[in-house]
Amino acid sequence: EADIYQTPRYLVIGTGKKITLECSQTMGHDKMYWYQQDPGMELHLIHYSYGVNSTEKGDLSSESTVSRIRTEHFPLTLESARPSHTSQYLCASSEWGGRTYEQYFGPGTRLTVT
Amino acid sequence: KNQVEQSPQSLIILEGKNCTLQCNYTVSPFSNLRWYKQDTGRGPVSLTIMTFSENTKSNGRYTATLDADTKQSSLHITASQLSDSASYICVVTGGAGANNLFFGTGTRLTVIP
Repeated sequence: EADIYQTPRYLVIGTGKKITLECSQTMGHDKMYWYQQDPGMELHLIHYSYGVNSTEKGDLSSESTVSRIRTEHFPLTLESARPSHTSQYLCASSEWGGRTYEQYFGPGTRLTVT
Repeated sequence: KNQVEQSPQSLIILEGKNCTLQCNYTVSPFSNLRWYKQDTGRGPVSLTIMTFSENTKSNGRYTATLDADTKQSSLHITASQLSDSASYICVVTGGAGANNLFFGTGTRLTVIP
């Protein structure tokens, strides 16, 4: 089982609140990713990082922000949550380089904004 | 346009039966194709990876095939078990820069006793 952790697993929060979704990995991977996934739909990349102090926006526009101060930690922040942010958020990591690019996923955070 | 399409969208089979899931892609250039299993409420877990030169790869009761000419892949599950109930996602790596990931929408498999 992959050593990548996400907290909280479930979060119900009111509109306008600031939230931070935590993601940590102990595999020493340089690359980390955040995906958004609605029920029954495909994963959409919203942020990724090549390493410390590197962050990039993904394919799907998101109002969230990320930071990468430490290799093992890649938190995602929503400054003001809205009902449209309700979704599952999956964090993943992979080694830098190599041809296989296997991503190891965390268990996800199910976010509900009321 | 780089796309990954999977079929069927959902599938219900009896325990012990076999099934085959399909993945068609238009990603170019192609680096590799990976099948993931995603249990409800969990993150995806890699089952197999296929590179351009490979056309069959097995992982226990899971066998993946790849036809790089027709850009099609299949995942065959033998002697299904209740624990096989999950979403199966096809992910193709490639595109400009050759390291972008393109996700299919997945096939939702339900195995019933």
